[in-house]
Amino acid sequence: ETGVTQTPRHLVMGMTNKKSLKCEQHLGHNAMYWYKQSAKKPLELMFVYNFKEQTENNSVPSRFSPECPNSSHLFLHLHTLQPEDSALYLCASRMTPNEKLFFGSGTQLSVL
Amino acid sequence: QKEVEQNSGPLSVPEGAIASLNCTYSDRGSQSFFWYRQYSGKSPELIMFIYSNGDKEDGRFTAQLNKASQYVSLLIRDSQPSDSATYLCAVWSNDYKLSFGAGTTVTVRA
Repeated sequence: ETGVTQTPRHLVMGMTNKKSLKCEQHLGHNAMYWYKQSAKKPLELMFVYNFKEQTENNSVPSRFSPECPNSSHLFLHLHTLQPEDSALYLCASRMTPNEKLFFGSGTQLSVL
Repeated sequence: QKEVEQNSGPLSVPEGAIASLNCTYSDRGSQSFFWYRQYSGKSPELIMFIYSNGDKEDGRFTAQLNKASQYVSLLIRDSQPSDSATYLCAVWSNDYKLSFGAGTTVTVRA
């Protein structure tokens, strides 16, 4: 248990659905991240929040919409996804300036 | 050019042997280097970090860094079946972005 909790663990959705991924960290960290992990590819950084402010949007399509209501919670809202969006979505957190990143268990997303 | 490159493997080693994993990076100004272990279906877990040239040992793991060659490696001594996993190399660049390699899959055969 890393102190970063993600729900749901698995999600299957159609291309017209709207769903949300949730991440909660219990470590007192001030920065939170969303990564996408596809098979045989490096982790792709999607969004970064520092002290609830978005500091990075790595050219992510608008069908992915992040929300960070406070420094402990992070959401990723999904709508009209494409099959190529199927992947493992990982949340991570750290306490800046410490560079160690702690990952949640991920949400395995399948888009049909 | 990929920012962080690793051999994808799979790297198969017998139990008790040394597993050697390599990683190269493109940003010469990078200062911090990390190794994460990821079991199948699980999230990445930090196992080693290194900031200075040379070797850093922690139990059966040794990280090696050569900034002049832009090269970082991980040695796993006395490999155990429980070491079978994908190992991700991660590098913090000067503009404070963490880039990951695609990972090297290690299989330790009993």
